[in-house]
Amino acid sequence: KAGVTQTPRYLIKTRGQQVTLSCSPISGHRSVSWYQQTPGQGLQFLFEYFSETQRNKGNFPGRFSGRQFSNSRSEMNVSTLELGDSALYLCASSLDFGFQGQGANGYTFGSGTRLTVV
Amino acid sequence: GESVGLHLPTLSVQEGDNSIINCAYSNSASDYFIWYKQESGKGPQFIIDIRSNMDKRQGQRVTVLLNKTVKHLSLQIAATQPGDSAVYFCAENPWAGNMLTFGGGTRLMVKP
Repeated sequence: KAGVTQTPRYLIKTRGQQVTLSCSPISGHRSVSWYQQTPGQGLQFLFEYFSETQRNKGNFPGRFSGRQFSNSRSEMNVSTLELGDSALYLCASSLDFGFQGQGANGYTFGSGTRLTVV
Repeated sequence: GESVGLHLPTLSVQEGDNSIINCAYSNSASDYFIWYKQESGKGPQFIIDIRSNMDKRQGQRVTVLLNKTVKHLSLQIAATQPGDSAVYFCAENPWAGNMLTFGGGTRLMVKP
């Protein structure tokens, strides 16, 4: 069973540009969540998509957006990149809603996309 | 490899010893907690979880303890091995939604 696939693995962008990252969930998983990981702020929740709809959102500016397609693949976009956006962006997929039923065993992270803004 | 935290607290233990990693969580309403292990270049990997109606749960070589009174979690690893070297995060599910709030992480280094 294939895991969560994130592409690309590494990306270098210039300030002011925009970037799109992709996440392919485990087959059958309908929820995709995105996290930003930095040395200073740690792991922070960006947003979650389920059935092509944004269901939850973290505390990030509007420059961070995402979408989900009918096959559950998700993309996140960051516009007008800033140096502080340099981070490891992780996505996690799961079957359905919440941890109360399935537990964290069903919540699987990809290896991330390392974004460097110069 | 990729650094997940340049200034993480570090726990250094001898191979074969037991390790205890501590975490303070933030939301007294959280009722589900998870420990993750993150190796260089990889995403967080599930280790063990615990619900708030329990104070202890054991897995294979790992035990999680939950103290709701002081909002504290600990992860105990028995007979620590070099392969246990990684960064360990606690995470809480602050409500019934599909998201996690992570702690700052602890780097575990195992000396052979």
